[in-house]
Amino acid sequence: RKEVEQDPGPFNVPEGATVAFNCTYSNSASQSFFWYRQDCRKEPKLLMSVYSSGNEDGRFTAQLNRASQYISLLIRDSKLSDSATYLCVVFTTDSWGKLQFGAGTQVVVTP
Amino acid sequence: GAVVSQHPSWVICKSGTSVKIECRSLDFQATTMFWYRQFPKQSLMLMATSNEGSKATYEQGVEKDKFLINHASLTLSTLTVTSAHPEDSSFYICSARDRDDGFSTDTQYFGPGTRLTVL
Repeated sequence: RKEVEQDPGPFNVPEGATVAFNCTYSNSASQSFFWYRQDCRKEPKLLMSVYSSGNEDGRFTAQLNRASQYISLLIRDSKLSDSATYLCVVFTTDSWGKLQFGAGTQVVVTP
Repeated sequence: GAVVSQHPSWVICKSGTSVKIECRSLDFQATTMFWYRQFPKQSLMLMATSNEGSKATYEQGVEKDKFLINHASLTLSTLTVTSAHPEDSSFYICSARDRDDGFSTDTQYFGPGTRLTVL
């Protein structure tokens, strides 16, 4: 079983619409949670951290459910520039502390 | 902001040759650097963690004699893929922790990646 699982998509979203997707993680001792964005053939870039109380950053809203071990991301008013792969990332303090990445959910925003 | 560079950004080599990839922290000191590998449509997989001045810690299933890691200074780590084969073709990404962020911080700064193609 993968440590972090995501629906690979693609999610095809009309411009201006809302899209939401989740990821699940297996290690209940995980400490921090993030969404990263990765564009084709580029390095991942931090989009936002995810907190238990839920948090918002502009059009992006993230939620964490520790009991069920899942994380969600919602994108409102989608822009063409939101087309990317969104990586769910979990931090555990094993050894030196590791980031564990999901395989990503692809979002394609269409005009 | 913290910047990490990688060199080269892409490399094509013949099977059996060795390839060295450099990862540098440009404006901070990195006590810990991480090396990841990403195959198409797959997640970034941690290969090894390197701490300045000590031996790298490899993840299970990663051959330490094939992927040589040297972290000789607080700003430079190198990954050498020895006797590369086509199955080693992948996107190699490094990341670094800023020493000033603390030892067990969850913040990592990523390099732009190196695309390796082995013919």
